[in-house]
Amino acid sequence: DAKTTQPNSMESNEEEPVHLPCNHSTISGTDYIHWYRQLPSQGPEYVIHGLTSNVNNRMASLAIAEDRKSSTLILHRATLRDAAVYYCIDPSGNQFYFGTGTSLTVIP
Amino acid sequence: NAGVTQTPKFRILKIGQSMTLQCTQDMNHNYMYWYRQDPGMGLKLIYYSVGAGITDKGEVPNGYNVSRSTTEDFPLRLELAAPSQTSVYFCASRGRNRNQPQHFGDGTRLSIL
Repeated sequence: DAKTTQPNSMESNEEEPVHLPCNHSTISGTDYIHWYRQLPSQGPEYVIHGLTSNVNNRMASLAIAEDRKSSTLILHRATLRDAAVYYCIDPSGNQFYFGTGTSLTVIP
Repeated sequence: NAGVTQTPKFRILKIGQSMTLQCTQDMNHNYMYWYRQDPGMGLKLIYYSVGAGITDKGEVPNGYNVSRSTTEDFPLRLELAAPSQTSVYFCASRGRNRNQPQHFGDGTRLSIL
């Protein structure tokens, strides 16, 4: 099984950076690590994905360890709208295992 | 762009009834997925399909059936509804490359009473 490990929950103050870690020690050499988030009462939405280099988009940045066994999703300035469950996923095979993710609380 | 569309959004069933949850996508994606999400839990894969005519079991397939007669549609059928199937059901699709992101529907909230 292509499983990942994340902390169950994290807190951040509003407008401060947030670093969400993930371990994915079994990811294959050609697979990208994916990050999704799920806002309350909504379906998951894609956030970012990357292979080896650090990646940036309008939502977040993704820092990938040199050995690719871990990564960190970075929200540069957390807002109340970023309160969600964040999932990192190793897409090995045809199945996506979501796990329980990290529940992010943003404190005003 | 419609993306992934699920119907109905809400449904209440009695124990033993059957129903079909509909999922359609307009992105010409090969891969489609059905997940269920119980309260406070992550998503669990029920079934997936890699293309028309091809389906395969995920983590929790018991009590469900699927079919994939077209690229666009991937219905999920409950034959004999049980209280343990009370959940939120999400359909998703993605392109051929497994490193492409999945696109999700808004979900179907199903209660079995």
